[in-house]
Amino acid sequence: GAVVSQHPSRVICKSGTSVKIECRSLDFQATTMFWYRQFPKQSLMLMATSNEGSKATYEQGVEKDKFLINHASLTLSTLTVTSAHPEDSSFYICSSQGLAGGGSYNEQFFGPGTRLTVL
Amino acid sequence: RKEVEQDPGPFNVPEGATVAFNCTYSNSASQSFFWYRQDCRKEPKLLMSVYSSGNEDGRFTAQLNRASQYISLLIRDSKLSDSATYLCAVPSGDGNKLVFGAGTILRVKS
Repeated sequence: GAVVSQHPSRVICKSGTSVKIECRSLDFQATTMFWYRQFPKQSLMLMATSNEGSKATYEQGVEKDKFLINHASLTLSTLTVTSAHPEDSSFYICSSQGLAGGGSYNEQFFGPGTRLTVL
Repeated sequence: RKEVEQDPGPFNVPEGATVAFNCTYSNSASQSFFWYRQDCRKEPKLLMSVYSSGNEDGRFTAQLNRASQYISLLIRDSKLSDSATYLCAVPSGDGNKLVFGAGTILRVKS
């Protein structure tokens, strides 16, 4: 499968700080990337779909001004959590979708995730 | 009906057992289906893709039942290392994203 990296793997920050998370597809060009959030012992929740060169599509209930997404190239998407608060503490995971290694268009490959803790 | 539903479990099985779980989906037009494995505090990893009636990879077999709209995952000769949460995923109605089930927890014990 495709290789997706995510940085940083862990962030601890103070309330009010903005945190940027990078997601890179290392071995293929990802036209579409997805950002998920997962709270402990809960399922993956899709936050937004990031398309290269265009605005992200946010899921219902996700504030686009709080979770800024930029997908400036075919290999990099960033998620910025602005003015983070303790309730934003979660596991943030990105995934890439594309014709990686001959796979299906719908297959998604996940980055290792970023664990955000807001104090 | 939810787009994708899974029995949350947990399924507690002894080593060597065969275990199967199902995932039901609502979009009858879906053409592809996926099983992911997620370990605690880790990202999901693609385990198997299903595009026709089923797929087999070693001890793992996925089967698709289009009439009843479910996919199953069968694990033979369970290992301790199979303990994880298994997520199924199905493309959304517009095909633009994957819809994930909440996952089924498997615990294999010695």
